[in-house]
Amino acid sequence: QVQLQESGPGLVKPSDTLSLTCSVSGASISGSYWSWIRQPPGKGLEWIGYIHSSGTTHYNPSLNSRVTLSLDTSKNQFSLKLTSVTAADTAVYHCARGSPVPDNWGQGALVTVSS
Amino acid sequence: EIVMTQSPATLSVSPGERATLSCRASQSISSNLAWYQQKPGLGPRLLIYGASTRATGISARFSGSGSGTEFTLTISSLQSEDFAVYYCQQYNNWPPTFGQGTKVEIK
Repeated sequence: QVQLQESGPGLVKPSDTLSLTCSVSGASISGSYWSWIRQPPGKGLEWIGYIHSSGTTHYNPSLNSRVTLSLDTSKNQFSLKLTSVTAADTAVYHCARGSPVPDNWGQGALVTVSS
Repeated sequence: EIVMTQSPATLSVSPGERATLSCRASQSISSNLAWYQQKPGLGPRLLIYGASTRATGISARFSGSGSGTEFTLTISSLQSEDFAVYYCQQYNNWPPTFGQGTKVEIK
């Protein structure tokens, strides 16, 4: 059974960088696509981007200049960095396996942007 | 960016009844549509992809239909565990986009 777990700071200051890690168990990250999707409080889901185990990435154009995805095959983890955050980046951030139709999702991590 | 519109926003249904959820795309997406179920505090669960193909382990009481711009998710006989929020997602164009969700609540 594949399980994904997000981890990282729950509070980030405006203009700082948001960093989250997704730990994968029950499957190797090799050979698959891995995605990040976020959900602002009370709003719908927004696709952030994906990374393939080969290192290929594809980002949402609305976030393209601020997002970087990476992976660590030795730890079976992949990560998200979002720079220059504002209050609009406050959301629950989900990591997931697969793109563009993820079949396994983490429960999500709430990240609040506030001073 | 393709806009996905779901209706209704909230659907009140009695257990055992049939629920019909709608999703409309702002332009044709062929059959590149998925449906997800989300319960509080959890990540979404994939139900349907390709507009009508059930994901692994999904009950046959969930069915999807449609193509082009109009899509439907039908839950044939609602069970207690089916009360949740349902999202549609198009993946025909980048970036994939989601509808705002339909909350299925107990009547």
